[in-house]
Amino acid sequence: GENVEQHPSTLSVQEGDSAVIKCTYSDSASNYFPWYKQELGKGPQLIIDIRSNVGEKKDQRIAVTLNKTAKHFSLHITETQPEDSAVYFCAVSTIRGSQGNLIFGKGTKLSVKP
Amino acid sequence: GAGVSQSPSNKVTEKGKDVELRCDPISGHTALYWYRQSLGQGLEFLIYFQGNSAPDKSGLPSDRFSAERTGGSVSTLTIQRTQQEDSAVYLCASSLAGLAYEQYFGPGTRLTVT
Repeated sequence: GENVEQHPSTLSVQEGDSAVIKCTYSDSASNYFPWYKQELGKGPQLIIDIRSNVGEKKDQRIAVTLNKTAKHFSLHITETQPEDSAVYFCAVSTIRGSQGNLIFGKGTKLSVKP
Repeated sequence: GAGVSQSPSNKVTEKGKDVELRCDPISGHTALYWYRQSLGQGLEFLIYFQGNSAPDKSGLPSDRFSAERTGGSVSTLTIQRTQQEDSAVYLCASSLAGLAYEQYFGPGTRLTVT
């Protein structure tokens, strides 16, 4: 089955710096790659996603890049702010018709120091 | 509008007892998912309901776990004869249609088995 590896497990940056989180996956048929942000005591919230026909997607300070050949994708956060501090999860799905489900990485705890 | 709600928010139970966890999805969302999040871990898929189709139960860890979705809306996750390893946060999510759509998560139910 699909295996998702996420690195690093913790990341500490200074406010204003960039943060990069990377995920690798094993199933070349995977075609949907969302990123979720989870704040303490809350459920995960989708922040950005990318599909396999796109190599890069950007939304303000957040971007995701996908390399299907190497089977990895990354989350980039620029100009980090203290409110970006949270746990970030990547996920992978192989959607075939109505079948498939999200396989999550183990998460990255991001701390942004003021 | 209202988001996904879950109840109870916290549940402490003795080993061997049965527990029921409830999820109210966003109105109009046809897809509903249950995940389990153990301390410091990613989200583990449990079960997926889509409309009137048979649920995808491939993630349920044992036959002590079951879930129902009545009337295409509210869902109940039941754990029978709870074990200490069942202690985790149980998250419910819903989406407009199937797996390629944004999943909205509830705040979760923290289950502690003593």
